[in-house]
Amino acid sequence: AQKITQTQPGMFVQEKEAVTLDCTYDTSDPSYGLFWYKQPSSGEMIFLIYQGSYDQQNATEGRYSLNFQKARKSANLVISASQLGDSAMYFCAMREGVNQPAGATNKLIFGTGTLLAVQP
Amino acid sequence: KAGVTQTPRYLIKTRGQQVTLSCSPISGHRSVSWYQQTPGQGLQFLFEYFSETQRNKGNFPGRFSGRQFSNSRSEMNVSTLELGDSALYLCASSLGPPDEAFFGQGTRLTVV
Repeated sequence: AQKITQTQPGMFVQEKEAVTLDCTYDTSDPSYGLFWYKQPSSGEMIFLIYQGSYDQQNATEGRYSLNFQKARKSANLVISASQLGDSAMYFCAMREGVNQPAGATNKLIFGTGTLLAVQP
Repeated sequence: KAGVTQTPRYLIKTRGQQVTLSCSPISGHRSVSWYQQTPGQGLQFLFEYFSETQRNKGNFPGRFSGRQFSNSRSEMNVSTLELGDSALYLCASSLGPPDEAFFGQGTRLTVV
């Protein structure tokens, strides 16, 4: 069954240091996409980074990078040079069937999230 | 370019009442999805619409319904509200599946 697991309920990191947020997934679909979203206290889900199951290289977006280990079914988010504004909930999510236009869906399955606190 | 707009932002209702939440997607986006977020259950998929057709539905009772209009705006309705329906309801829009989804700020519903 499709599932996303985030085992870290909360994390602390010092400002300017790097932090890794863990995410493992389970799916039988060979075609899937993995997403990371940030949710500040305002509630809006902010898209950070995307990795497709067939992508050869790990995705990067500015200070965000995704450590994709397909054999281990893990997709960890790495935030470099943490800033105070990075304090928020972070969610890992998965979408299946990304290479099947006829049956494509936008349905996302989310993990339970990790609350990141950046300390000055 | 305006983002996804959800109205109202906050809502307080009494048990047994019904409620309608609205979502205006980004201009040009034809796909709208709805999610319920609670402390106990986390983020759960409600339903997905594309070009006025429901493409996918989550595991929620029939009290939860939705629709999409020809201008891509979407509404979701919850009838006979229960205390457990108190949640943040998030709407996401995209050009069409399986494109990137952009979320609104949500509607926080409190049922008393």
